[in-house]
This record gives sequence, structure tokens and C-alpha cells, in this order.
Amino acid sequence: QLRLQESGPGLVNPSETLSLTCTVSGGSISNSPYYWGWIRQPPGKGLEWIGSVFYRGNTYYNSSLKSRVTISADTSKNKLSLNLRSVTAADTAVYFCARQPAATAEYHFDSWGQGTLITVSS
Amino acid sequence: SYVLTQPPSVSVAPGKTARITCGGNNIGSQGVHWYQQKPGQAPLLVICYDIDRPSGIPERFSGSKSGNTATLTISRVEAEDEADYYCQVWDSSGDHVVFGGGTKLTVL
Repeated sequence: QLRLQESGPGLVNPSETLSLTCTVSGGSISNSPYYWGWIRQPPGKGLEWIGSVFYRGNTYYNSSLKSRVTISADTSKNKLSLNLRSVTAADTAVYFCARQPAATAEYHFDSWGQGTLITVSS
Repeated sequence: SYVLTQPPSVSVAPGKTARITCGGNNIGSQGVHWYQQKPGQAPLLVICYDIDRPSGIPERFSGSKSGNTATLTISRVEAEDEADYYCQVWDSSGDHVVFGGGTKLTVL
């Protein structure tokens, strides 16, 4: 049973860098030619795709966030990472990681983590 | 950028049929995916590629597409179907995943 678990600091100061990790269990990132995505949801609002990464490192990013985002996959640790630089209050959201079950970012997301709430505030 | 338009809310009585629409330019040429999200939970895939229902999703959930509109239909609505529903496509012109704004389904 595939399981994704996001982890992060909970609270981030404005202008700093938000760093999140998604630990994948029940399956190996390196043995699965899939894309993995990060999606966020501000409180009371809809879903926003941040970007997706292939296990080999290929990435796609939301153009509205591209200048501030880096997404990577660590196959040795079976983890995904998200770094979002120069955060503001507008980046306050629940952040989800999810799997796209194909070697293309065009697919749907079939498995999701439970999400982690990140608040940007001093 | 590509936009998917959903009605903010849909209300339906138990046992009736709910239809949630998702409009987008040239959506007919793209696969549309639908997610259900209940409060405090992660989204759950209920329909992929317009009409395919993942394992474990009740047959009451179905998808269709016509022209520039995709539709999620929930037959014989139950109280447990009350949730937010989101459509999603891949925008090949911008290499983007795009979500609709979401529709809150209320079971009366």
C-alpha cells in the first residue's frame, strides 16, 4: 500500500524559504517511472498545482511560482522535496504531495498524502 | 493561462442526481480528471480520463464530456457525497496541471 507523508516546519517567517519533504513508503521512487507532484490549498480556497518531478529529476513548474520553486526527488531516501523561496502570507496553505501514475506529468493524481499546513507569519 | 470554470455550488436532494460541470476551451481534446475532497481530507480521485472510475469508487459516479464542457454525474446522491469537487486537466500549451475552482456539493 503506497503511502505519502508530508513533513515541514509548520510556521515560516516572511521572506524566508519554505522547505518540505514528502516521504514515500510502500513503493520505491526509483523503481517506479512515475511523476510526483506538489499541490497546495490556501485555507478555504481551491487546489493549486505547484509542480511535478520525475524520479530522474525532470521537472514541470507552475509558471506563477517557477521563479521561487525547486522540486526534487531523492531516490536514495525515497523522498521528494519542495523549496519555496521568499515566502509571503499568500503562501500560507496546506501542502500536498501526490503521485501521477505515469512517466508523464499529464496524468491525474491517484495517491495523495494527508497534507501539512504551513503558515507564513512573523 | 488555461482556465477551468466550475459552478461554486450545487445542491441536490438525497436520492436525486447531481451534475457538476467543468468548462474550458477545447476541453474535448484533453483528458479530464475529477476529485472529491471532504473537509480536512486530501482529495480523492473519483473519475480519470473523462469516464474511467478508479477501483473502489461507487458506480454512482460517472463522467462525460460534450463540446467545451465536462460533467461529473452522481446518481442516487447520498449524504456522504457532500464534499467539494474539482476537475483537472493538463494544459499542453503551457505544460501545466490546471485545476478548476471547485464546486461545493450540498446534499439537502
